[in-house]
Amino acid sequence: DQQVKQNSPSLSVQEGRISILNCDYTNSMFDYFLWYKKYPAEGPTFLISISSIKDKNEDGRFTVFLNKSAKHLSLHIVPSQPGDSAVYFCAASAKSSASKIIFGSGTRLSIRP
Amino acid sequence: NAGVTQTPKFRILKIGQSMTLQCTQDMNHNYMYWYRQDPGMGLKLIYYSVGAGITDKGEVPNGYNVSRSTTEDFPLRLELAAPSQTSVYFCASRSLNDSPLHFGNGTRLTVT
Repeated sequence: DQQVKQNSPSLSVQEGRISILNCDYTNSMFDYFLWYKKYPAEGPTFLISISSIKDKNEDGRFTVFLNKSAKHLSLHIVPSQPGDSAVYFCAASAKSSASKIIFGSGTRLSIRP
Repeated sequence: NAGVTQTPKFRILKIGQSMTLQCTQDMNHNYMYWYRQDPGMGLKLIYYSVGAGITDKGEVPNGYNVSRSTTEDFPLRLELAAPSQTSVYFCASRSLNDSPLHFGNGTRLTVT
Protein backbone atom coordinates (compact mmCIF):
# COMPACT_ATOMS: atom_id res chain seq x y z
CA ASP A 1 0.00 0.00 0.00
CA GLN A 2 1.97 2.97 -1.33
CA GLN A 3 0.77 6.06 0.49
CA VAL A 4 3.06 8.44 -1.41
CA LYS A 5 3.45 7.92 -5.15
CA GLN A 6 5.76 9.42 -7.69
CA ASN A 7 4.55 7.95 -10.95
CA SER A 8 7.33 9.29 -13.18
CA PRO A 9 10.59 7.39 -12.57
CA SER A 10 12.51 9.83 -14.76
CA LEU A 11 12.28 13.24 -16.36
CA SER A 12 14.55 15.02 -18.84
CA VAL A 13 14.44 18.80 -19.15
CA GLN A 14 16.49 21.27 -21.14
CA GLU A 15 18.68 23.67 -19.19
CA GLY A 16 16.92 26.96 -18.54
CA ARG A 17 13.41 25.50 -18.87
CA ILE A 18 10.99 24.62 -16.08
CA SER A 19 11.14 21.21 -14.39
CA ILE A 20 7.88 19.96 -12.88
CA LEU A 21 7.96 16.93 -10.59
CA ASN A 22 4.71 15.41 -9.40
CA CYS A 23 3.63 13.50 -6.32
CA ASP A 24 0.31 11.98 -5.26
CA TYR A 25 -0.73 10.76 -1.85
CA THR A 26 -3.59 8.63 -0.58
CA ASN A 27 -3.68 9.34 3.16
CA SER A 28 -5.95 12.32 3.84
CA MET A 29 -4.39 12.67 7.31
CA PHE A 30 -1.07 13.84 5.83
CA ASP A 31 -0.56 17.49 6.75
CA TYR A 32 3.13 18.18 6.14
CA PHE A 33 4.95 17.57 2.88
CA LEU A 34 8.61 17.74 1.95
CA TRP A 35 10.83 17.46 -1.11
CA TYR A 36 14.33 16.03 -0.95
CA LYS A 37 17.12 15.88 -3.49
CA LYS A 38 19.62 13.06 -3.61
CA TYR A 39 22.94 12.74 -5.38
CA PRO A 40 24.64 9.32 -5.76
CA ALA A 41 26.54 8.09 -2.70
CA GLU A 42 25.11 10.86 -0.51
CA GLY A 43 22.20 11.15 1.87
CA PRO A 44 19.07 13.03 0.76
CA THR A 45 19.15 16.78 1.38
CA PHE A 46 16.12 18.86 2.23
CA LEU A 47 14.83 21.23 -0.47
CA ILE A 48 11.48 22.69 0.51
CA SER A 49 8.40 21.86 2.55
CA ILE A 50 4.75 22.88 2.77
CA SER A 51 2.14 22.61 5.46
CA SER A 52 -1.43 21.68 4.62
CA ILE A 53 -2.64 25.14 5.67
CA LYS A 54 -0.91 26.57 2.58
CA ASP A 55 -1.24 25.84 -1.12
CA LYS A 56 2.10 27.27 -2.23
CA ASN A 57 5.56 27.75 -0.83
CA GLU A 58 8.46 29.37 -2.67
CA ASP A 59 12.20 29.38 -2.03
CA GLY A 60 14.34 30.86 -4.77
CA ARG A 61 14.09 28.71 -7.89
CA PHE A 62 11.96 26.09 -6.09
CA THR A 63 8.20 26.29 -5.61
CA VAL A 64 5.96 23.61 -4.16
CA PHE A 65 2.23 23.58 -4.90
CA LEU A 66 -0.27 21.60 -2.84
CA ASN A 67 -3.75 20.63 -4.05
CA LYS A 68 -5.43 19.02 -1.06
CA SER A 69 -8.66 18.12 -2.82
CA ALA A 70 -6.71 16.19 -5.47
CA LYS A 71 -4.17 14.88 -2.93
CA HIS A 72 -1.45 16.11 -5.25
CA LEU A 73 1.67 18.17 -4.90
CA SER A 74 4.24 19.33 -7.38
CA LEU A 75 7.72 20.80 -7.30
CA HIS A 76 8.61 23.44 -9.88
CA ILE A 77 12.24 24.32 -10.58
CA VAL A 78 12.81 27.34 -12.75
CA PRO A 79 15.14 27.90 -14.42
CA SER A 80 16.57 24.37 -14.41
CA GLN A 81 20.33 24.13 -14.04
CA PRO A 82 22.81 21.26 -14.63
CA GLY A 83 23.37 20.90 -10.88
CA ASP A 84 19.68 20.07 -10.49
CA SER A 85 20.29 16.65 -12.05
CA ALA A 86 19.54 14.28 -9.18
CA VAL A 87 16.83 12.02 -7.77
CA TYR A 88 13.97 13.91 -6.13
CA PHE A 89 11.87 12.37 -3.38
CA CYS A 90 8.51 13.55 -2.16
CA ALA A 91 7.65 12.79 1.48
CA ALA A 92 4.65 13.26 3.76
CA SER A 93 3.75 13.00 7.41
CA ALA A 94 0.72 13.36 9.68
CA LYS A 95 0.66 14.64 13.24
CA SER A 96 -1.69 11.81 14.12
CA SER A 97 0.84 9.13 13.09
CA ALA A 98 3.43 10.14 15.66
CA SER A 99 6.14 11.50 13.41
CA LYS A 100 6.29 8.81 10.71
CA ILE A 101 7.56 10.31 7.45
CA ILE A 102 6.70 8.32 4.34
CA PHE A 103 8.66 8.72 1.12
CA GLY A 104 7.77 8.19 -2.52
CA SER A 105 9.89 6.12 -4.89
CA GLY A 106 11.65 9.13 -6.44
CA THR A 107 11.99 10.78 -9.83
CA ARG A 108 15.36 10.98 -11.55
CA LEU A 109 15.70 14.45 -13.10
CA SER A 110 18.24 14.96 -15.87
CA ILE A 111 19.00 18.45 -17.11
CA ARG A 112 20.34 18.40 -20.66
CA PRO A 113 22.38 21.26 -22.15
CA ASN B 1 29.38 20.81 12.06
CA ALA B 2 28.99 17.00 11.98
CA GLY B 3 25.20 16.64 11.83
CA VAL B 4 24.21 12.96 11.43
CA THR B 5 27.09 10.50 11.32
CA GLN B 6 26.75 6.89 10.21
CA THR B 7 29.34 4.14 10.50
CA PRO B 8 30.49 2.06 8.77
CA LYS B 9 30.17 3.40 5.22
CA PHE B 10 30.36 -0.07 3.67
CA ARG B 11 30.01 -3.62 4.97
CA ILE B 12 29.77 -7.10 3.52
CA LEU B 13 28.10 -9.74 5.67
CA LYS B 14 27.62 -13.45 5.23
CA ILE B 15 24.12 -14.89 5.60
CA GLY B 16 23.30 -15.43 9.26
CA GLN B 17 25.86 -12.98 10.62
CA SER B 18 24.84 -10.07 12.80
CA MET B 19 25.95 -6.47 12.93
CA THR B 20 25.04 -3.06 14.30
CA LEU B 21 24.81 0.03 12.13
CA GLN B 22 25.76 3.07 14.17
CA CYS B 23 24.09 6.46 13.98
CA THR B 24 24.82 9.51 16.07
CA GLN B 25 23.68 13.12 15.82
CA ASP B 26 25.05 16.22 17.54
CA MET B 27 22.09 18.53 16.97
CA ASN B 28 20.17 17.52 20.12
CA HIS B 29 17.28 16.29 17.99
CA ASN B 30 14.55 14.30 19.69
CA TYR B 31 13.34 12.45 16.61
CA MET B 32 15.50 9.85 14.85
CA TYR B 33 14.76 7.48 11.97
CA TRP B 34 16.17 4.55 10.05
CA TYR B 35 15.37 4.11 6.36
CA ARG B 36 16.53 1.64 3.75
CA GLN B 37 16.79 2.31 0.03
CA ASP B 38 16.84 -0.62 -2.35
CA PRO B 39 18.23 -0.11 -5.88
CA GLY B 40 15.87 2.05 -7.96
CA MET B 41 13.42 2.31 -5.10
CA GLY B 42 12.36 4.92 -2.61
CA LEU B 43 13.13 5.15 1.08
CA LYS B 44 11.31 2.72 3.35
CA LEU B 45 10.99 3.50 7.06
CA ILE B 46 12.36 0.70 9.28
CA TYR B 47 12.12 2.14 12.81
CA TYR B 48 11.88 5.53 14.40
CA SER B 49 12.19 7.14 17.82
CA VAL B 50 10.59 10.26 19.27
CA GLY B 51 12.97 10.45 22.19
CA ALA B 52 15.35 8.50 24.43
CA GLY B 53 13.77 5.25 25.59
CA ILE B 54 10.97 5.35 22.97
CA THR B 55 11.04 3.44 19.68
CA ASP B 56 8.39 2.33 17.22
CA LYS B 57 8.08 0.27 14.06
CA GLY B 58 7.97 1.78 10.60
CA GLU B 59 6.93 0.21 7.29
CA VAL B 60 9.53 -2.60 7.12
CA PRO B 61 10.72 -3.51 10.66
CA ASN B 62 11.09 -7.28 10.28
CA GLY B 63 14.63 -8.54 10.76
CA TYR B 64 15.79 -5.41 12.61
CA ASN B 65 15.97 -4.09 16.15
CA VAL B 66 16.75 -0.65 17.55
CA SER B 67 17.45 0.98 20.86
CA ARG B 68 17.57 4.60 21.98
CA SER B 69 19.37 4.90 25.28
CA THR B 70 20.59 8.46 24.65
CA THR B 71 19.35 11.43 22.62
CA GLU B 72 22.44 11.26 20.40
CA ASP B 73 22.59 7.60 19.39
CA PHE B 74 20.17 5.35 17.51
CA PRO B 75 21.84 2.06 16.52
CA LEU B 76 20.17 -0.42 14.16
CA ARG B 77 20.79 -4.12 14.80
CA LEU B 78 20.58 -6.95 12.26
CA GLU B 79 20.54 -10.26 14.10
CA LEU B 80 20.49 -12.85 11.29
CA ALA B 81 21.49 -11.18 8.05
CA ALA B 82 19.63 -12.26 4.91
CA PRO B 83 20.24 -11.38 1.23
CA SER B 84 16.96 -9.41 1.27
CA GLN B 85 18.64 -6.98 3.67
CA THR B 86 21.16 -5.92 1.02
CA SER B 87 20.46 -2.22 0.77
CA VAL B 88 21.67 1.27 1.58
CA TYR B 89 20.68 2.31 5.08
CA PHE B 90 20.10 5.94 6.00
CA CYS B 91 19.76 7.39 9.45
CA ALA B 92 18.03 10.75 9.90
CA SER B 93 17.00 13.11 12.67
CA ARG B 94 14.84 16.18 13.19
CA SER B 95 14.11 18.57 16.03
CA LEU B 96 10.34 19.01 15.90
CA ASN B 97 7.33 17.26 14.44
CA ASP B 98 7.00 19.73 11.57
CA SER B 99 10.61 20.19 10.62
CA PRO B 100 12.79 18.64 7.91
CA LEU B 101 14.82 15.48 8.33
CA HIS B 102 18.60 15.69 8.31
CA PHE B 103 20.18 12.59 6.80
CA GLY B 104 23.51 10.86 7.21
CA ASN B 105 25.46 9.71 4.17
CA GLY B 106 24.35 6.10 4.45
CA THR B 107 25.75 2.63 5.05
CA ARG B 108 25.93 0.33 2.04
CA LEU B 109 25.33 -3.23 3.21
CA THR B 110 25.73 -6.36 1.10
CA VAL B 111 24.65 -9.77 2.41
CA THR B 112 25.97 -12.78 0.48
